[in-house]
Amino acid sequence: RKEVEQDPGPFNVPEGATVAFNCTYSNSASQSFFWYRQDCRKEPKLLMSVYSSGNEDGRFTAQLNRASQYISLLIRDSKLSDSATYLCVVNIEGYSTLTFGKGTMLLVSP
Amino acid sequence: DGGITQSPKYLFRKEGQNVTLSCEQNLNHDAMYWYRQDPGQGLRLIYYSQIVNDFQKGDIAEGYSVSREKKESFPLTVTSAQKNPTAFYLCASTPRSGGYNEQFFGPGTRLTVL
Repeated sequence: RKEVEQDPGPFNVPEGATVAFNCTYSNSASQSFFWYRQDCRKEPKLLMSVYSSGNEDGRFTAQLNRASQYISLLIRDSKLSDSATYLCVVNIEGYSTLTFGKGTMLLVSP
Repeated sequence: DGGITQSPKYLFRKEGQNVTLSCEQNLNHDAMYWYRQDPGQGLRLIYYSQIVNDFQKGDIAEGYSVSREKKESFPLTVTSAQKNPTAFYLCASTPRSGGYNEQFFGPGTRLTVL
């Protein structure tokens, strides 16, 4: 199995809120992890890679828990422009491609 | 500007017709991919190519064909054998083969079968 599971949402939050998404992956041989952002009717774009020690990029923080096989994305101080679908993406050892989750939709309201 | 281009942006076809979607990249990337996305669904891999003149089937290759005659080009043909072709088609590329690289996507082609 090579599934990547995400809560589809939507997550409805007010501006300024903190929101967290989780993603679980089934294959323990997974090696590389990413969060992509996809705006409505647009292509996915890389938001950030996820490193074992966790990493932060401005208002965004990504964490990896290999023991529990989950990845998280935390968005602080949500902006209207954060409204999008967030895709959890995993590379499994031995596969030449990435495996995409179905995405979690975020709606930030004024 | 370096990037991936897909054409056309919107495509309409009648049932029973084959149609070819274009994907071109000037990033000098080795590997290229085709995905299909249906409303509310994730990306599903159709075909991928790690090197010129070579390609592999993805999870949903039936009813599709590809070619990789040039490094920068990876066209996808949707044949009449594809039972439900209406979808959003995305092309992507990575600098090298192997799934550990970030994938760069083109803007996509929306195909509607009338």
